[in-house]
Amino acid sequence: DVKVTQSSRYLVKRTGEKVFLECVQDMDHENMFWYRQDPGLGLRLIYFSYDVKMKEKGDIPEGYSVSREKKERFSLILESASTNQTSMYLCASDSANEKLFFGSGTQLSVL
Amino acid sequence: AQTVTQSQPEMSVQEAETVTLSCTYDTSENNYYLFWYKQPPSRQMILVIRQEAYKQQNATENRFSVNFQKAAKSFSLKISDSQLGDTAMYFCALRREGKSTFGDGTTLTVKP
Repeated sequence: DVKVTQSSRYLVKRTGEKVFLECVQDMDHENMFWYRQDPGLGLRLIYFSYDVKMKEKGDIPEGYSVSREKKERFSLILESASTNQTSMYLCASDSANEKLFFGSGTQLSVL
Repeated sequence: AQTVTQSQPEMSVQEAETVTLSCTYDTSENNYYLFWYKQPPSRQMILVIRQEAYKQQNATENRFSVNFQKAAKSFSLKISDSQLGDTAMYFCALRREGKSTFGDGTTLTVKP
């Protein structure tokens, strides 16, 4: 079974903390993505990566950074968490123009 | 820039009936891909159906089919013989140059 695994299902952090969200895929996909999902706003692309060490800004990159040191792992970093970053975070991967494979999401609460 | 619009935030249907979810999009490109994804209460997003824009024939996948109108930039999803397990949020997405743009989603409830 192909898998995209996100390290945490629920996470509670304090304002100002540095937060790491980890994502691992086992399908040898080149492309990996981080989305944020908020009610009424659908999924919005934060960052994506087409290859190791490579990253591109999505539509809402402010306040976030990413790291892709290995092909299978794509990390999302909140340098200094703020309350407006409370959200559901979805990681996804794919190859070429095939379908996206999603992780089960991390619900992050910043207090 | 590309945009995807789902004009129906919520819909409901009786079990065994047919329901159609609407999606319109805007892109200046000619080559792209369109998708419908389903997100059940478990939060695990899965693909429902995929359509290549260069193909005129509408995609079908068992009880799921699309009505793809390229000139009108419309991509609706029809679910036949609705089942309780179809209760979920459905997202329409447009993929171009490796990036996918999603609509705001339609919450579908199938009633027994």
